[in-house]
Amino acid sequence: EIVLTQSPGTLSLSPGERATLSCRASQSVAKNYLAWYQQKPGQAPRLLIYEASNTATGVPDRFSGSGSGTDFTLTISRLEPEDFAVYYCLQCSISPLAFGQGTKVEIK
Amino acid sequence: QVQLQESGPGLVKPSETLSLNCTVSGDSISGYYWNWIRQSPGRGLQWIANIHYSGRTTYNPSLQSRVTLSLDTSRNQFSLKVRSVTAADTAVYYCARGPGWLPTNWGQGTLVTVSS
Repeated sequence: EIVLTQSPGTLSLSPGERATLSCRASQSVAKNYLAWYQQKPGQAPRLLIYEASNTATGVPDRFSGSGSGTDFTLTISRLEPEDFAVYYCLQCSISPLAFGQGTKVEIK
Repeated sequence: QVQLQESGPGLVKPSETLSLNCTVSGDSISGYYWNWIRQSPGRGLQWIANIHYSGRTTYNPSLQSRVTLSLDTSRNQFSLKVRSVTAADTAVYYCARGPGWLPTNWGQGTLVTVSS
């Protein structure tokens, strides 16, 4: 079973700043089947990135993903007001699928 | 544009069975994987299981003994049953579609509370 650990737990930033979120896996994620989701209060998670670095349809290009093996990063190049939310990583390479515990990006 | 809608009782008594349906509109249930995922304050997001349109299922081992998934292609629906529920099963339950195991399109979620 793969366990995902996200850091930091909370990121306090201002609009226009760059956000860097980390997701570390307890073992290598095969085929880089690592995804990132954004969740706002009262809403379902929204897929942003899949296979570590591919941007989902309709996602702004300020969101990018990188990494391989056990270390992955989600970068938001310039935070917009609508980007303040909770972000989760998910590995879907082996069963059981597993989510990280989330990183909250809040307005400083 | 595919849409998914969860439905079922919002309140279930301890030791009883939680039953939820997910109705799919805007696309056929064929050709995809269909997931159930839940979210609670204490446990975060937890993947429960998925079912392929062929009927093949994959379960989270932590829940496998209590969970059953099924498909109804004639109604374009799939279902979740969780037996012997406790307060720890209180959560928002989401259904989600994936072209593979990756959940891409999600329902809005439905809150299920386990309480007497």
